[in-house]
Order: sequence, then C-alpha cells, then structure tokens
Amino acid sequence: RKEVEQDPGPFNVPEGATVAFNCTYSNSASQSFFWYRQDCRKEPKLLMSVYSSGNEDGRFTAQLNRASQYISLLIRDSKLSDSATYLCAVNMRTGGFKTIFGAGTRLFVKA
Amino acid sequence: DAGVIQSPRHEVTEMGQEVTLRCKPISGHNSLFWYRQTMMRGLELLIYFNNNVPIDDSGMPEDRFSAKMPNASFSTLKIQPSEPRDSAVYFCATGTGVSNRNTGELFFGEGSRLTVL
Repeated sequence: RKEVEQDPGPFNVPEGATVAFNCTYSNSASQSFFWYRQDCRKEPKLLMSVYSSGNEDGRFTAQLNRASQYISLLIRDSKLSDSATYLCAVNMRTGGFKTIFGAGTRLFVKA
Repeated sequence: DAGVIQSPRHEVTEMGQEVTLRCKPISGHNSLFWYRQTMMRGLELLIYFNNNVPIDDSGMPEDRFSAKMPNASFSTLKIQPSEPRDSAVYFCATGTGVSNRNTGELFFGEGSRLTVL
C-alpha cells in the first residue's frame, strides 16, 4: 500500500462547479499535511497547509480527519485557472521529517 | 530572494553516460530533498538531507544513484551509468523543517528534465 493515496483523475468540471479531492495516508504518526498545486511542466507549489480544525482560503477549504487518516480539498466556484494537478503531501518523522506526496489528481475546468 | 536553483534544466544523454544534477538550496533552509517525477510513478522521494547529513536514502532506486551535500549551499544527484528508465523530471526541494513556527512547507526548484536515449 502506498503511504499517500489520492483519488484517481482526471476530474473534468465546468466553470462554477464545486469539486472535492480526497487523500488517505497510512502512517498514523504523520505530523503535518498539505495540498500542493502543480501546473503543467512546472514545479509543485504550496497551495495550503491542512490543520485539524479545518482551514479555508477563499474558494479553497481543506479538512483533516486524523482518526480516519484522511485529508480533503474542496474548491468552490471553479475557475479556468484552477486547472492543474493537485498533490496531497504528508510529513512524517523519520530521524528528520520527510515529505511524501500522493500521485496527484488532475483537474480540468472547462468553459 | 532567489529560490531553489537547479541545473541543468534539460539534459539529453545516451545510455551508459554519467549524469550529474545540481541544486542550490534557499539560504537558511536546513532540509533538502531530491524527488523524481514520472507519469507512471508520480513524485517519488529519493533521498533527503538534514543539516547536510543524509537521513533517509531508502528511495534511491539502486546503486547507480548517489547523492551528496558537501555544504549547506550545494547538493548533487549523480546517476552512473544512466539508463533509459531513468528518464524523468528530477526536483530538488528545500525547507526549514517542522517546528513551532514552521509546518514543513517545501520550496521546489524548477526541475531537471532528464532524457536518456
């Protein structure tokens, strides 16, 4: 089993739609959690950290459920510019801290 | 401020040749990670360093791969000899680790796209 697993993509949605991505992790000792965004042929960039209480940044809402080892990302009112790959990431303590990424979920937002 | 700097951006080489990828981390970042990304396998962690010391190299695919971090401002990933299946984008990412003030965000370089013919 992979340490971090994500919904298979791609997701094809119309502008204005609400879309949700899910991610599960296997290591219960994982410390911190993130969503990264990666545009085509570019490097991943942090979209938002994920906190136990849930957090929101504009149209984006992230949730963490430690009991179920589950992370989610909700995008409301999708824009064409949201088209990208969304990577779930988990920090685990192993000596130092290592960050493991899911394979990513591709999102296409269409006009 | 300069971000993570990787070189070369693109490399095309023939099977059997040695490949060296380079990374300059953001000043002050004490954690450095090497990742490999392919369509089939996604973003795989190869090795990471903390304060220039290799902590976990369990992701390095085989002995053909080696990585060094001789000082806080430079790291290399070497493949010798290279094979076609090594073709991928190799990313270097750095951060300040996890603390009361940092959640462990990583900053990525633009990547080195390697093609082995």
